[in-house]
This record gives sequence, C-alpha cells and structure tokens, in this order.
Amino acid sequence: DTEVTQTPKHLVMGMTNKKSLKCEQHMGHRAMYWYKQKAKKPPELMFVYSYEKLSINESVPSRFSPECPNSSLLNLHLHALQPEDSALYLCASSQDRSIETQYFGPGTRLLVL
Amino acid sequence: GQQLNQSPQSMFIQEGEDVSMNCTSSSIFNTWLWYKQDPGEGPVLLIALYKAGELTSNGRLTAQFGITRKDSFLNISASIPSDVGIYFCAGNTGNQFYFGTGTSLTVIP
Repeated sequence: DTEVTQTPKHLVMGMTNKKSLKCEQHMGHRAMYWYKQKAKKPPELMFVYSYEKLSINESVPSRFSPECPNSSLLNLHLHALQPEDSALYLCASSQDRSIETQYFGPGTRLLVL
Repeated sequence: GQQLNQSPQSMFIQEGEDVSMNCTSSSIFNTWLWYKQDPGEGPVLLIALYKAGELTSNGRLTAQFGITRKDSFLNISASIPSDVGIYFCAGNTGNQFYFGTGTSLTVIP
C-alpha cells in the first residue's frame, strides 16, 4: 500500500476564513511533507516533518500553520489567506529523510476569493 | 534554487512513437525519481533509482541513473493516449530534494 490520502479534494474560502487541510498515510513513514503547486510548475516545498517534528520551514508565511498530531497525520491550518495562495496543495510522505522516495497524495485544490 | 534541468519542456508525438526525456544537474544525486502528474492530481511515482548505472523498467517505461550521478533519463516505448501528462524528474542530493521543471507530453491518436 503506497497510498497517501488528502481531504478535502476541493476547497473554496474567503480571505477571512479559517480552514484546515488534512493528510494521512498508513505506510509507517516517518517523514511527511507539504508542497504548494501552481499550474504547469513543479511542486514547491513548504514544510517537512521528520519523526513528528518540524525540520524544514521554507520561509512560508505565518498564515500557513502546519501540525503533525501523530506519525500518520499531517494538517495544514489556513488563516487569512490571499488570492495568490490559490493552488494545488500536495502532501507527501517518505520512509524517512534519509530515504526520500516520496509518495504523494491526490492534493487539495484551494481557491481563495 | 532549482538545480535540475529537465528537457524537453514539451513534446507532441504520434501514438505508437517512443519518447525520451532527461534531467541533468551540476550536483551529484543519491536518488533519482520519475513522476507522472495528471491535471488536478498528485504526482504518481513511476520509477525510483538508487545506484549509479542502474537501469530499471516499469512496463513500457525505462529509466536510468547516470554513471556520473548527475543525470537520468526516462524512455517511454510505444506511446498510448493515456501517457498524456506532465513528467517530473526529482532527486535527493543528500542535503536537499529537488524537482525538475517538467516535460509536458501530448500524444496524438
């Protein structure tokens, strides 16, 4: 099983809303990632969690707040987003940071109005 | 910054033709990965390469980890319409994980 699941599939939110994106994997992976992807561009790394601790924050604005409640779950909390934050948000996981064969979820298509 | 140069940027081919794309870097990579992404979906891992010189196949797909560890190629034989999508190379230098810029493949029936 190499499945990473993400919910919701689509999300529309206003600039004053608070919402959360969720990601789950049951492969026993200890590294999990959040990426942002614009159309026809490669994914851009936002955050990396390794053994449930935040190990990389790629200078992401504070309106994005990641959380790793346990080794299987990864959340991305959204608050006061801007229209330019509209994108496909991808979650990925890998066995750990030393073996970064990353498996991706289907993504959440976010539209900020 | 971006360290993976992927080419070509786009390809338009006839169904049944073979396809070749590659990634090069000035840095040495420990792993090379090839993904396919359909519109609005997440990238799907096609092939993972872990050793210099490694040649791996997955159905009609074949990928190789370059001997210098600075490049990799992906070949698709006898293309079919469902091969349409964007193909990304990716890799790990040991310090960081990088994505290539993508190759957009269109297959004309």
